[in-house]
Amino acid sequence: DAGVIQSPRHEVTEMGQEVTLRCKPISGHDYLFWYRQTMMRGLELLIYFNNNVPIDDSGMPEDRFSAKMPNASFSTLKIQPSEPRDSAVYFCASRRGTGAGELFFGEGSRLTVL
Amino acid sequence: QKEVEQDPGPLSVPEGAIVSLNCTYSNSAFQYFMWYRQYSRKGPELLMYTYSSGNKEDGRFTAQVDKSSKYISLFIRDSQPSDSATYLCAMSARSGGTSGSRLTFGEGTQLTVNP
Repeated sequence: DAGVIQSPRHEVTEMGQEVTLRCKPISGHDYLFWYRQTMMRGLELLIYFNNNVPIDDSGMPEDRFSAKMPNASFSTLKIQPSEPRDSAVYFCASRRGTGAGELFFGEGSRLTVL
Repeated sequence: QKEVEQDPGPLSVPEGAIVSLNCTYSNSAFQYFMWYRQYSRKGPELLMYTYSSGNKEDGRFTAQVDKSSKYISLFIRDSQPSDSATYLCAMSARSGGTSGSRLTFGEGTQLTVNP
């Protein structure tokens, strides 16, 4: 399997612009997670899905952030409008089953908002 | 107070040294304990996994969990330059339900092993 695939790998945009990050989880995995990583706050869980349904979005910082999972093989994280403090590396991860199953991460999308 | 505390380092050691990485936590519901390794500009990958208290050994790596003290450790013996990475501890509550699906990470400790 190709692993979790994220795009774009790098995004530089200006404040106020819309940003869409994309993720393709590993086939057969029923959980999908979006994390944000910064030097100051480490790895933070934003939202996760089970069988394409959002289960917990309490980590989404503001209404400017939204996430969707229209099918088992695709998810998006959208920021509209973007702000400089959104600059971070955004990771998508997937897992089969609940509990302590191994979480497989993508290589991340590095976002810079000017 | 954060649920999981981890010294961010950085930690720099000579090749061959024994490395000790640690995390403390406050949530007594945590039962699954993991260590992830993250190389520069890559996603984290699972290194070690333990359930409840005890030790687990895998090659040069040993993971220890002390639930009574809410303290976990990762030891690396005979450290190598290829071990240079950020090490993140991670924990989750018992499986099942939404609480069992969340993985809470420490901030990560940046380790450099010098040749």
